[in-house]
Amino acid sequence: EDQVTQSPEALRLQEGESSSLNCSYTVSGLRGLFWYRQDPGKGPEFLFTLYSAGEEKEKERLKATLTKKESFLHITAPKPEDSATYLCAVQAGGYQKVTFGTGTKLQVIP
Amino acid sequence: DGGITQSPKYLFRKEGQNVTLSCEQNLNHDAMYWYRQDPGQGLRLIYYSQIVNDFQKGDIAEGYSVSREKKESFPLTVTSAQKNPTAFYLCASSGRDSQPQHFGDGTRLSIL
Repeated sequence: EDQVTQSPEALRLQEGESSSLNCSYTVSGLRGLFWYRQDPGKGPEFLFTLYSAGEEKEKERLKATLTKKESFLHITAPKPEDSATYLCAVQAGGYQKVTFGTGTKLQVIP
Repeated sequence: DGGITQSPKYLFRKEGQNVTLSCEQNLNHDAMYWYRQDPGQGLRLIYYSQIVNDFQKGDIAEGYSVSREKKESFPLTVTSAQKNPTAFYLCASSGRDSQPQHFGDGTRLSIL
C-alpha cells in the first residue's frame, strides 16, 4: 500500500527565516510526486510535479526536490502570504489514483 | 478561465435525506475525482472516473454514489446510508497519466 508521511505537522517561521518541509513516501513504481498549497476553506492549488530522483522545480520562494525516498519543499525568505497548508501526494503503479499526505501547516509571522 | 466549479459552497443535510454535490470542469480533462477531507487527515478518495459512463470506488465509497454522463460533470450524492457525512468535499480533475489533479474550492457539508 502506498504511504505518504509529511513532517513537521506544523511549522512557525519568522518572516525571512528559510526552512524545509519533508515528504517521505513508500510506493511501488513512482509515476509522479505532487506538491500543493491549500488555504483555509479552499481547494488545493497545484504547485509542482516531480517525476524522477534528482529533479528540482522552482517557483518564486519555493523549490521542490526529489530523491528515491523523499521530497523536500524548500522555502527561502518566506513572507506572511506563504502561510498555508502544504500537501504532498504521490501517484504510483498503473493507476490514476493519488495518495495524499496529511500536510504541513506553515505559519509565517511578520 | 478554465477551472473546476463546485456548488454549493455550503450544504446542510437533514436525517434520512440524500443530497447531491455538483462538480463541473471546463478543462477538457478525462479523469475526475471526489475526495473527502477531515481535520487532521489526508484527502481520502471516494470515487473516481477515467472516462464518461465509467467510474470506480475509492477507499471510502460506502454511503456515496456518483454518475458520469458527461465529460464535464461528475456529481456526488451523499446518501442517508452515510452516517458521518460532515466533512469538506473536494472535486478534482486531471488529464492523462501522471498529470496533476486540479481542484475546485470544495463544498462543506453539515448535518442539521
